[in-house]
Amino acid sequence: DTAVSQTPKYLVTQMGNDKSIKCEQNLGHDTMYWYKQDSKKFLKIMFSYNNKELIINETVPNRFSPKSPDKAHLNLHINSLELGDSAVYFCASSQEARYQETQYFGPGTRLLVL
Amino acid sequence: AQSVTQLDSQVPVFEEAPVELRCNYSSSVSVYLFWYVQYPNQGLQLLLKYLSGSTLVESINGFEAEFNKSQTSFHLRKPSVHISDTAEYFCAVSVPRGFQKLVFGTGTRLLVSP
Repeated sequence: DTAVSQTPKYLVTQMGNDKSIKCEQNLGHDTMYWYKQDSKKFLKIMFSYNNKELIINETVPNRFSPKSPDKAHLNLHINSLELGDSAVYFCASSQEARYQETQYFGPGTRLLVL
Repeated sequence: AQSVTQLDSQVPVFEEAPVELRCNYSSSVSVYLFWYVQYPNQGLQLLLKYLSGSTLVESINGFEAEFNKSQTSFHLRKPSVHISDTAEYFCAVSVPRGFQKLVFGTGTRLLVSP
């Protein structure tokens, strides 16, 4: 059983399009995250939700809108895609939002904007 | 704000040789420290973490890391590496207050050859 899953695995699209990435965790965790990993492998947090509530919102363009319909799901919608949005997007979850928790990562969604 | 420096972007090593992956952090407050590993085309997995207590922490697959407060370091070591240890290794910190927000280093690619 996959603990944290993401769909799609690969996403190739044109500039200006709108796309969504979905994430689901079956670990019963309360907290979920979105990370962006750029071409140099630098990993940076974008958003975090705890019990469906947004608790971390880094300086991300408002073209990115996360949505958590329930504790097990965290989706990421991106409007008006730009070349610089090309990256690997990772979803993660943890039991709680506390600072010592272990995070469990999904396999990533590789987004390429042409 | 916290930051993490991993000076070595790539470390080539022969199988069964020892290895050390360096991690230094900067923070005005105490931190928790983590090492995550990313195998090719997979998400990150926790390798080990330091929260408190003994400054030497170990993982189940033979890695260990030592927290050195005076040198603000958390270097990762393994006395004898295997081909299967080839992966990207990320050091990360979080501040022990509020919600967890991991700050990652830029990663070190460990390349183990026969």
